[in-house]
Amino acid sequence: DIVMTQSPESLTVSLGERATINCKSSQGVLYDSDNKNYLAWYQQKPGQPPKLLIYWASTRESGVPDRFSGSGSGTDFTLTISSLQAEDVAVYYCQQYYSSPITFGQGTRLEIK
Amino acid sequence: QLVQSGAEVKKPGASVILSCKASGYTFIKYGIAWVRQAPGQGPQWMGLIYPDSGRTNYAERLQGRVTMTTDTSTGTVYMELRSLRSDDTAVYYCAREGHGYSFFDSWGQGALVSVSS
Repeated sequence: DIVMTQSPESLTVSLGERATINCKSSQGVLYDSDNKNYLAWYQQKPGQPPKLLIYWASTRESGVPDRFSGSGSGTDFTLTISSLQAEDVAVYYCQQYYSSPITFGQGTRLEIK
Repeated sequence: QLVQSGAEVKKPGASVILSCKASGYTFIKYGIAWVRQAPGQGPQWMGLIYPDSGRTNYAERLQGRVTMTTDTSTGTVYMELRSLRSDDTAVYYCAREGHGYSFFDSWGQGALVSVSS
């Protein structure tokens, strides 16, 4: 199984500041045949299901604000929130869909300073 | 939209069947996965089913205890988990594959399954 490791476990950022969350996979998730990274990011608020933010490591889902961006390739990925808003308080998860079983990171809790 | 059945309370050793009714899109075009989340933990993929063929792919750790089926006439997916244990206590979600790949662009509201003697 591919193990997804996120850092940090929790993050406290001031409103308007940048938040950066890292995700490392135990093996590469870049598919040679299509040159795509099979990596997604989700946001989960209390009592709600996860919400897809980013797929293919850097493609923003429709309707997701452009302050959210994804980057990285191979085994190392980053989710960046360029200017933190109050509504961004949540737990964020990365997920690989390169191989079965699909696996998620353990989550990063983002709070406001 | 995916709408799930409600919460369940079960005793160890029992089985549970959850349903997930899809609407607003062509049901057979997208795979449906089941993902569970134990209290305070990250999501855990259980497996998925392709409604057009009935083909399934289950997580190895659940092999023999889980079965996913579909009813294409109603646009509903079912997930049965047998021989329940206390560590099966979790919120269970169904989720739709996005663009034919296993990232999930639409989720059900979740159903809490509590297993306790």
